[in-house]
Amino acid sequence: AQSVTQLGSHVSVSEGALVLLRCNYSSSVPPYLFWYVQYPNQGLQLLLKYTSAATLVKGINGFEAEFKKSETSFHLTKPSAHMSDAAEYFCAVSSNDYKLSFGAGTTVTVRA
Amino acid sequence: NAGVMQNPRHLVRRRGQEARLRCSPMKGHSHVYWYRQLPEEGLKFMVYLQKENIIDESGMPKERFSAEFPKEGPSILRIQQVVRGDSAAYFCASSTTSGSSYNEQFFGPGTRLTVL
Repeated sequence: AQSVTQLGSHVSVSEGALVLLRCNYSSSVPPYLFWYVQYPNQGLQLLLKYTSAATLVKGINGFEAEFKKSETSFHLTKPSAHMSDAAEYFCAVSSNDYKLSFGAGTTVTVRA
Repeated sequence: NAGVMQNPRHLVRRRGQEARLRCSPMKGHSHVYWYRQLPEEGLKFMVYLQKENIIDESGMPKERFSAEFPKEGPSILRIQQVVRGDSAAYFCASSTTSGSSYNEQFFGPGTRLTVL
């Protein structure tokens, strides 16, 4: 069985500040991990994914995430927030099949 | 190059009615997945279909729910005799090749079902 916990349902950051979204997973086998973003009235868009290659994964829009097996974490970061980063972010885990297990999501607001 | 299309975007039904949710995958995609998001929860896998075949329906409720992906036309998620607990956002995703975490699932905008 696999599951994901996203810490914090809402995160508010100032424009230009660090964005940090936390994700912890549990999986009985080596996991594949994903971050998706959802803008209002749109579908989920893949930001980045970890598939057992490099532990530091770079994605689109300046986001990156680091896989830490010892901490069972896959936190998402962006050094400098932009107004366009306001969205809902979902962490997901899979055990090398098609079933994605998602966290409950974190809504990011960016203050001018 | 249209993405995954879902309609309707919003659907209101009274208890006991039927709900039909449609999903048109991206062009060239022959694999469709349905997920449900209940309020304050993450998306939960429901079913995985290929053209004319249900591959995995382990996440589907045993009663009232069914899904199909015919040779022609969109995939349909059908909920009979809806109850208030069916109120949720239903997301469809599609991918090119056979189910694997390496194959990105592209998501539609979802259908928000409200049961009165």
